[in-house]
Amino acid sequence: AQRVTQPEKLLSVFKGAPVELKCNYSYSGSPELFWYVQYSRQRLQLLLRHISRESIKGFTADLNKGETSFHLKKPFAQEEDSAMYYCALKTTSYGKLTFGQGTILTVHP
Amino acid sequence: DVKVTQSSRYLVKRTGEKVFLECVQDMDHENMFWYRQDPGLGLRLIYFSYDVKMKEKGDIPEGYSVSREKKERFSLILESASTNQTSMYLCASSLRDPFNSPLHFGNGTRLTVT
Repeated sequence: AQRVTQPEKLLSVFKGAPVELKCNYSYSGSPELFWYVQYSRQRLQLLLRHISRESIKGFTADLNKGETSFHLKKPFAQEEDSAMYYCALKTTSYGKLTFGQGTILTVHP
Repeated sequence: DVKVTQSSRYLVKRTGEKVFLECVQDMDHENMFWYRQDPGLGLRLIYFSYDVKMKEKGDIPEGYSVSREKKERFSLILESASTNQTSMYLCASSLRDPFNSPLHFGNGTRLTVT
């Protein structure tokens, strides 16, 4: 069965420091992975997807099939990055996503 | 811009009541989903629908049912509410091919069952 694990519930860094939010997955098929973000008092929204290989708001994520990981990284964190981050795995053509437990990122000034 | 609207932001219900959570999307999306969001557990899929009158169980369907009579509306029904169903409920929608369409979420309904 598919599974997404985000080992850190909470992550705190200072502004300007690098940040890495970890995500590991378990899936026997060809994975499609996503990062979703929820800022305070806003709805959950897509941050980036691995297939696009894009950088959004300075964040990048590389799919490592050998390590079954999709870690989210940013070289210089900003206070406005403080949010809840979810890693998600798509497992069906109907778009069903399996989410991880989420990581609350706090960036201190 | 896609809009997914959940009819209630906050609901308080009593144990045993039948509860309806409504969700409407305005972008003609085929897929619609109901998740519940709990601290430490993330988002867990309750039910989803890929077409009118079609529904599939998610990971935690027990105690819930759904209805999709029109393409834009997806209702979640708690047949007999229990305290362990106190949670934040998120509705989402997407086009049939989610590679080109991400999930679009509503603002959520925080349900408290007393």
